[in-house]
Amino acid sequence: GDSVTQMEGPVTLSEEAFLTINCTYTATGYPSLFWYVQYPGEGLQLLLKATKADDKGSNKGFEATYRKETTSFHLEKGSVQVSDSAVYFCALRPSGSARQLTFGSGTQLTVLP
Amino acid sequence: DTAVSQTPKYLVTQMGNDKSIKCEQNLGHDTMYWYKQDSKKFLKIMFSYNNKELIINETVPNRFSPKSPDKAHLNLHINSLELGDSAVYFCASSPRTDSYEQYFGPGTRLTVT
Repeated sequence: GDSVTQMEGPVTLSEEAFLTINCTYTATGYPSLFWYVQYPGEGLQLLLKATKADDKGSNKGFEATYRKETTSFHLEKGSVQVSDSAVYFCALRPSGSARQLTFGSGTQLTVLP
Repeated sequence: DTAVSQTPKYLVTQMGNDKSIKCEQNLGHDTMYWYKQDSKKFLKIMFSYNNKELIINETVPNRFSPKSPDKAHLNLHINSLELGDSAVYFCASSPRTDSYEQYFGPGTRLTVT
């Protein structure tokens, strides 16, 4: 079945450091890929998405590129801020309609001032 | 003007009790979901409703019974609560079943003692 594998956390960085959170997936066909973010005490919010191979999703300084050849969708940010501290979830939605999201296990990010 | 709201935010109860969690969305969406997030932040879908009709029912014990009185509400009733039911339960909604983005509520932290 479909699955998403994220790098294990927690990840602790200093402010202005470069961030990479790895995500790889297993799915048939061409799934859509997402990054969701969960701030402390809140529900998940969509951060960015990519719906086909080589698409780059971006939002709030975060980027991720849909790599079909490596089945990856790594999240990057050039300079993190304390306010980026949260749990980040990679997710996929299989191709075709009426299919649910499959989430990775989440990666806790803490950014220190 | 909260988009997806859940009540209660916290719920502490004893084993064997029956409890309900309520969810409402004011976004006019057709599709609603219940997710369970365990202590390791792993997020798994439980149910999905589209226009008050059940469309996804994952392998969840039949002690869990969702009810959708109208398309803006999706409540979760749990009978005979067990210790393993302790988790954070998230409600979410999306415009349609094939929509890319889901909008999450703030979560209900259920603790069974």
